[in-house]
Amino acid sequence: EDQVTQSPEALRLQEGESSSLNCSYTVSGLRGLFWYRQDPGKGPEFLFTLYSAGEEKEKERLKATLTKKESFLHITAPKPEDSATYLCAVQAMDTGRRALTFGSGTRLQVQP
Amino acid sequence: NAGVMQNPRHLVRRRGQEARLRCSPMKGHSHVYWYRQLPEEGLKFMVYLQKENIIDESGMPKERFSAEFPKEGPSILRIQQVVRGDSAAYFCASSTGVDQPQHFGDGTRLSIL
Repeated sequence: EDQVTQSPEALRLQEGESSSLNCSYTVSGLRGLFWYRQDPGKGPEFLFTLYSAGEEKEKERLKATLTKKESFLHITAPKPEDSATYLCAVQAMDTGRRALTFGSGTRLQVQP
Repeated sequence: NAGVMQNPRHLVRRRGQEARLRCSPMKGHSHVYWYRQLPEEGLKFMVYLQKENIIDESGMPKERFSAEFPKEGPSILRIQQVVRGDSAAYFCASSTGVDQPQHFGDGTRLSIL
């Protein structure tokens, strides 16, 4: 059974204080690992897809990296508008399975 | 360039009634997925559909729940004889292909009285 564990559950940062969010996963053959951002009352907003170990993707203050067992979302010099819940999800390689298995998320709060 | 559209945004039903949730995928997207988010829990997969076909319904409860994605019109998630435990946020996502990112709507929040 595919599993995704995210840590920490919650993180409070000061504006400009860089940090990393962790996503550990177990999957029977990884098709892709996905990062999403979710604001209260909204649906998840797609950020990145990573497909293989060693891959990195960047977007503004966010950088996602992938190893064979985990992924990190690095946030550099965060701003208050980066406050949200960040979700990690995996998609297995199995034919016909397209479901995403989500972690419980990391709630990030960036204080000015 | 409209995103995934879900309606209604909020739906209130009494126990025993039927709930119908609608999802219009992004333009050009032919793959639709439904997920449920229970209070204080993560998103859980329910069903994956392509036009007129259910591809994977492994996450769908065996009774009372059904989904369709007709040739014309939105995808529909139907819950018959709702119970209090059905109260949740139901999210729809769509993609252009099986290996492409899934883009989510803002969900329908279902409350059962």
